[in-house]
Amino acid sequence: GQNIDQPTEMTATEGAIVQINCTYQTSGFNGLFWYQQHAGEAPTFLSYNVLDGLEEKGRFSSFLSRSKGYSYLLLKELQMKDSASYLCAVRGLAGGGNKLTFGTGTQLKVEL
Amino acid sequence: EAQVTQNPRYLITVTGKKLTVTCSQNMNHEYMSWYRQDPGLGLRQIYYSMNVEVTDKGDVPEGYKVSRKEKRNFPLILESPSPNQTSLYFCASSRTGGSYNSPLHFGNGTRLTVT
Repeated sequence: GQNIDQPTEMTATEGAIVQINCTYQTSGFNGLFWYQQHAGEAPTFLSYNVLDGLEEKGRFSSFLSRSKGYSYLLLKELQMKDSASYLCAVRGLAGGGNKLTFGTGTQLKVEL
Repeated sequence: EAQVTQNPRYLITVTGKKLTVTCSQNMNHEYMSWYRQDPGLGLRQIYYSMNVEVTDKGDVPEGYKVSRKEKRNFPLILESPSPNQTSLYFCASSRTGGSYNSPLHFGNGTRLTVT
């Protein structure tokens, strides 16, 4: 089975940097995804990591350590529109290697 | 525009009245899946399909049925809805075939209330 943990809530200031952590235990690993979800809307894809290290995409970066079962999402130059829930999801071996198991999400609030 | 389309967006029904939530994707994706999202529980997989005529249970399949007669469509059927199926439902699709960096694309969601 799979278990994914991430903080429930975080608050940060506009213009600052915030790091959202995710730890996971899985019986098989085929990649880790980060999604952004605004209230009542569909999750949208942010980033993907399958090898150790940092993947950078504009203001968003994601890091993975497979040996530690750990990832983080780094958001720079925070904007008010970044207030959303951030979902960590792990792709394991189930579903022919396609199933994504999601954490419960980290609700980020960006304040002035 | 590449998208996953779910209908309806909102649905209020009564216990026991059969309903179907439709899902269609125009990206020629092999893999499709249904999730439900509840506060504090996150997204949980109900059913998934690897391709036409191939479906399998996810983590919370009880009370649901699906079918995959065509590649683009993957309807979710509640034969006898109950109040504990009140939730926000998402359909999603992705490529398969070893493309493990293929992300899931989600529909806009269906908010179902069963009274």
